[in-house]
Amino acid sequence: DGGITQSPKYLFRKEGQNVTLSCEQNLNHDAMYWYRQDPGQGLRLIYYSQIVNDFQKGDIAEGYSVSREKKESFPLTVTSAQKNPTAFYLCASSRGNGNQPQHFGDGTRLSIL
Amino acid sequence: AQSVSQHNHHVILSEAASLELGCNYSYGGTVNLFWYVQYPGQHLQLLLKYFSGDPLVKGIKGFEAEFIKSKFSFNLRKPSVQWSDTAEYFCAVIPFDSGTYKYIFGTGTRLKVLA
Repeated sequence: DGGITQSPKYLFRKEGQNVTLSCEQNLNHDAMYWYRQDPGQGLRLIYYSQIVNDFQKGDIAEGYSVSREKKESFPLTVTSAQKNPTAFYLCASSRGNGNQPQHFGDGTRLSIL
Repeated sequence: AQSVSQHNHHVILSEAASLELGCNYSYGGTVNLFWYVQYPGQHLQLLLKYFSGDPLVKGIKGFEAEFIKSKFSFNLRKPSVQWSDTAEYFCAVIPFDSGTYKYIFGTGTRLKVLA
């Protein structure tokens, strides 16, 4: 079955540590996205990538970094510079023409201890 | 800045009641519009979408939405809700001529249907 796999489902880290969230898709989609979901704030875009080796900042990119070395993979690193990293993180992908709906992963819940 | 507003943050209905969730966006050009649903413990999934043509769009599970360009709105409706419709609903917009694939999501509406 085609889809998006996010791992791990739950992640705990100590304050001051960087942590990387994995996102893999086998839908052959060009575009991939990272969102942060907080109660009452909906989905806020962190980073997105329209093609391999290219990505753009979203609305809340500070304290985060990404890479897009392969079409199917778009890992997100939450750095120690992110002031409030505890949140639910969602990865999504879509075909690369802007007219297609996004497909979402199951999310990773990150908790900073 | 482009934005999407969902004014109802929490809605509680009894089964068989009618549902209408509001969605307004701020962008003067052409848009593509979506409603997504997130059932408890599940990932977001597409409910319906509008790109062009008939402004009344039908989606899965009996949902529909009407695009009213003059009001910059894309409200979601269902004539008779069921307990299984309990979920969080998100409206999303892509500015069609933005040159990017950047989706703009609303803050979501939590719907609770009482059995």
